[in-house]
This record gives sequence, C-alpha cells and structure tokens, in this order.
Amino acid sequence: KAGVTQTPRYLIKTRGQQVTLSCSPISGHRSVSWYQQTPGQGLQFLFEYFSETQRNKGNFPGRFSGRQFSNSRSEMNVSTLELGDSALYLCASSGESWQETQYFGPGTRLLVL
Amino acid sequence: GENVEQHPSTLSVQEGDSAVIKCTYSDSASNYFPWYKQELGKRPQLIIDIRSNVGEKKDQRIAVTLNKTAKHFSLHITETQPEDSAVYFCAAMYSGGGADGLTFGKGTHLIIQP
Repeated sequence: KAGVTQTPRYLIKTRGQQVTLSCSPISGHRSVSWYQQTPGQGLQFLFEYFSETQRNKGNFPGRFSGRQFSNSRSEMNVSTLELGDSALYLCASSGESWQETQYFGPGTRLLVL
Repeated sequence: GENVEQHPSTLSVQEGDSAVIKCTYSDSASNYFPWYKQELGKRPQLIIDIRSNVGEKKDQRIAVTLNKTAKHFSLHITETQPEDSAVYFCAAMYSGGGADGLTFGKGTHLIIQP
C-alpha cells in the first residue's frame, strides 16, 4: 500500500495570510490526525478526524481548523498566520480508529515571514 | 491532560554498545505507548509499541519495557549500529476514546560513535 502523502511539501507565507495543507491517508484508513512539530515545543497534537467528524482536539487556537472528506483525505487550514506558526505539520493515519498504530506522512514545512 | 517526560535529551554511545531511553507519563489512564524514530528531514517512523496489558515487547535488537505502577517505559537498543543514529520520540495515549491524541516526549538525539 502507498504510504501517507502530504501536499505541498514546502510553503512560504507572510504574516496575516492563510494556508491550507492536504493529507491523503493510507488506503483503507479512516482516521487522520494532525501534529505540529517545532524545535521548541516538539510534536504537539492538533486534532483528529474520523469519518468526516472531528473527534479530538488539542490545545491550539481557533485559527487552526480542519476537515475530512468522504474519501478520508483531510485538509488543515491556518488563518491569519503568525511567525510562530512556522513549523513542520505532520499528518498521521490509522485504521478503523486512532486507537490503532498511527503512520506519519512526510510533512509540510511551513515558513511564515 | 497527559504529560510525557523523556530522558536523556542527547545520548552518545559507542557502536556495538546498548542504548537506553527512558520516559515517564502522568495519566494512569494511558494504555498505548509507541516509539518513533525520526531521521533528519524525514517523517517519524514507528519502531515499536506496547500496550498496557504487557510488560515487555521485543523486536530483534529493539525492546520496550513498561512499568504501569511507576508510570514509566523504556526503549532498549542493543548492538547499536551507525544507522541507529536519529532522534527517538516516546509517546503515550489513552486509546479508549475522548483523548488528546498522542502526547510526545521532547525526543532523544541518539549518536552512535564509530
């Protein structure tokens, strides 16, 4: 099976702009989770989607949002970008639920100038 | 919520020696503990995981132990090789619903000295 894919791989934005990142899970996986990775804070959980519904949410402001489509592909949106949003954004997919092993995509590296 | 502490932050060992990375967690409800390896510029890759109904799991040179009473778990790598050099992350999660996803430790940079 193909692994988790993410697009784009790299993005440069300026403060105040918004950005949309995409994640395609492993075929057959229905759960998609998003994480932010920074040198200072490490890997932090953003939210998790299952069957087009957000089931869990981490401690991030409302500027961070997401959605999942009927084919399990997921998008993450960040509005009104801040310099501190510069990070590697990783998505992970798992089988029937997030209770199963999570497999990560290669990530989208976002730089906010 | 869950809090995971990981030590050491950097570990340098001679090739062929063993490496041990330790993590503690705070939420006694956590019952799933994966370990990920992340090489520079690459995605985190699962190397081994353990659930709370077992105390130890081994896969070739890699083993994980779990002490639920003390709320700590450890990664053991034997006969280390140059390709083991990477950052290793431990994580904890309650897989019973309504949790906060995986909570990760800050990572351990493992350096294998030739």
